[in-house]
Amino acid sequence: EPEVTQTPSHQVTQMGQEVILRCVPISNHLYFYWYRQILGQKVEFLVSFYNNEISEKSEIFDDQFSVERPDGSNFTLKIRSTKLEDSAMYFCASRRDYNEQFFGPGTRLTVL
Amino acid sequence: AQSVSQHNHHVILSEAASLELGCNYSYGGTVNLFWYVQYPGQHLQLLLKYFSGDPLVKGIKGFEAEFIKSKFSFNLRKPSVQWSDTAEYFCAVNERSNQFYFGTGTSLTVIP
Repeated sequence: EPEVTQTPSHQVTQMGQEVILRCVPISNHLYFYWYRQILGQKVEFLVSFYNNEISEKSEIFDDQFSVERPDGSNFTLKIRSTKLEDSAMYFCASRRDYNEQFFGPGTRLTVL
Repeated sequence: AQSVSQHNHHVILSEAASLELGCNYSYGGTVNLFWYVQYPGQHLQLLLKYFSGDPLVKGIKGFEAEFIKSKFSFNLRKPSVQWSDTAEYFCAVNERSNQFYFGTGTSLTVIP
């Protein structure tokens, strides 16, 4: 069964550094998402992406964040200058149409 | 914006006990409703979903949920829990737009 994959599974970085989180959505899916889950808190929507552009973003998704689909298969989330409060689990998800979203296993980001 | 409430933050049950987890949402229009489960160390997985039709939906592993439109609720139930049901359970709502809104989650611990 096809699944969403994410790399790396755990990323440790120093405050102020740039990180890129990678996702490979399910191949025939058209909508792509990033969510984050700070430890002990709920899953929060960051951004959605369709037809090679951002279709929706939350107030969390400020100028330090960007997303890209560089090669038709990968979907990346870049955090330009990480802060301590960016430490969280980051989930990628994809869907084909108005249906369930399929989630990846997540990347745990730790900012020191 | 949509608001999703899960009133039980942490539930502890003995094996074979019955389970009911509450979920309420705020949007009064047409919604899709989901329950996701996150087992320890694993990613979010879909338990069940409601789009339309019979308000009582059955999912995997013996779970079911009932959509009560007048109460804006979508409570999750299982008649007899097992130790392997220990996990975090998230209710989610999609307004047939892009993003999903998640509740804060309910941590279920089943004692053998």
